[in-house]
Amino acid sequence: DAKTTQPTSMDCAEGRAANLPCNHSTISGNEYVYWYRQIHSQGPQYIIHGLKNNETNEMASLIITEDRKSSTLILPHATLRDTAVYYCIVRATLLSGSARQLTFGSGTQLTVLP
Amino acid sequence: DTEVTQTPKHLVMGMTNKKSLKCEQHMGHRAMYWYKQKAKKPPELMFVYSYEKLSINESVPSRFSPECPNSSLLNLHLHALQPEDSALYLCASSPWTGRAYEQYFGPGTRLTVT
Repeated sequence: DAKTTQPTSMDCAEGRAANLPCNHSTISGNEYVYWYRQIHSQGPQYIIHGLKNNETNEMASLIITEDRKSSTLILPHATLRDTAVYYCIVRATLLSGSARQLTFGSGTQLTVLP
Repeated sequence: DTEVTQTPKHLVMGMTNKKSLKCEQHMGHRAMYWYKQKAKKPPELMFVYSYEKLSINESVPSRFSPECPNSSLLNLHLHALQPEDSALYLCASSPWTGRAYEQYFGPGTRLTVT
């Protein structure tokens, strides 16, 4: 699985967009980019994933560069409740009937400021 | 119901005690996971169960003994733990089919070994 690099910490003003970068320069063609977050003292929460195209759901948007060597998670209107550690994880496409264990990196501590 | 529940929320035990952590999900997921998370570190995989059978053991010491009595329940039996085993223990579940790495995590059990 490709290694990811994320900034250790970031701040964002409440109501503004939070843009969290992730570098994955060794990503392979069959590897997806996943984002999870972990609010303090809670279990991690799945946010979004993508392969090549940009993806959007009710929580966030995922922008993947054309060469797929980096991506950005966008929280369009950050709130105080979005303060959390955000993990970018790259994993290969699964065969059906395989375990889905996750290997977490250090992540980015996002602090949303009032 | 997309919830994974874990009990107890907090546990304090001595090094000679025997205790158990419990995890439950009713999403019909056939893969269940135990992760360990030390303070200010990312979660680390311990065990994976698929269809109630242990499929991955990440070289975890035998003082941790997992058990999957049925498709909804996952236990972690603890015996003769060391103070360095104090951590947040996270349970997760996922489907066994499909190609995505979406996992559902419980809130964790905060374990303190004295």
